[in-house]
Amino acid sequence: DAKTTQPTSMDCAEGRAANLPCNHSTISGNEYVYWYRQIHSQGPQYIIHGLKNNETNEMASLIITEDRKSSTLILPHATLRDTAVYYCIVRDNAGNMLTFGGGTRLMVKP
Amino acid sequence: GAGVSQTPSNKVTEKGKYVELRCDPISGHTALYWYRQSLGQGPEFLIYFQGTGAADDSGLPNDRFFAVRPEGSVSTLKIQRTERGDSAVYLCASSASPVREQYFGPGTRLTVT
Repeated sequence: DAKTTQPTSMDCAEGRAANLPCNHSTISGNEYVYWYRQIHSQGPQYIIHGLKNNETNEMASLIITEDRKSSTLILPHATLRDTAVYYCIVRDNAGNMLTFGGGTRLMVKP
Repeated sequence: GAGVSQTPSNKVTEKGKYVELRCDPISGHTALYWYRQSLGQGPEFLIYFQGTGAADDSGLPNDRFFAVRPEGSVSTLKIQRTERGDSAVYLCASSASPVREQYFGPGTRLTVT
């Protein structure tokens, strides 16, 4: 799997949008971008994934650049419960395992 | 519906003992994965089942670790002759197919004293 680079930590004010960047400059044409988050003492939670088009669901939006070398996860109105470690993962369409990096520790503050 | 469940939630064992960790996947999910997470690290892949067979066990650290899924549903991760370095949270995930998103259980925290 291609490697990803994410900032180690970020802060966000409650109610504001949280924009979490991810670089994946070596991504291949058949690799998807997945986002998971892990709230303290819980298992990882699936958020969203995409190939090249922008995606939106009830949790978040995923913006992928045209060259697919980077992406941004957007939480439109962050709450205190969004405080977690967010993992950006690239995964080929054959499936199999997820390869987690260090992730971004997002702290949402009142 | 019910998510992935794992039992026990916590397990404390002495060095050298044998342990079994159980995973109940989401009903109907054919793919099942085991991961291990050490403190401050992201989860690391151990083994992946498609149905009853282990499709990829490349992440198992050594031959003390073994996993089964005899009927294609519940899976058991077995660790023989436990060592203090085996202490970690063991996570199980399942998906409807290998190319679909994975849903994780709450994990089993294993402590080897």
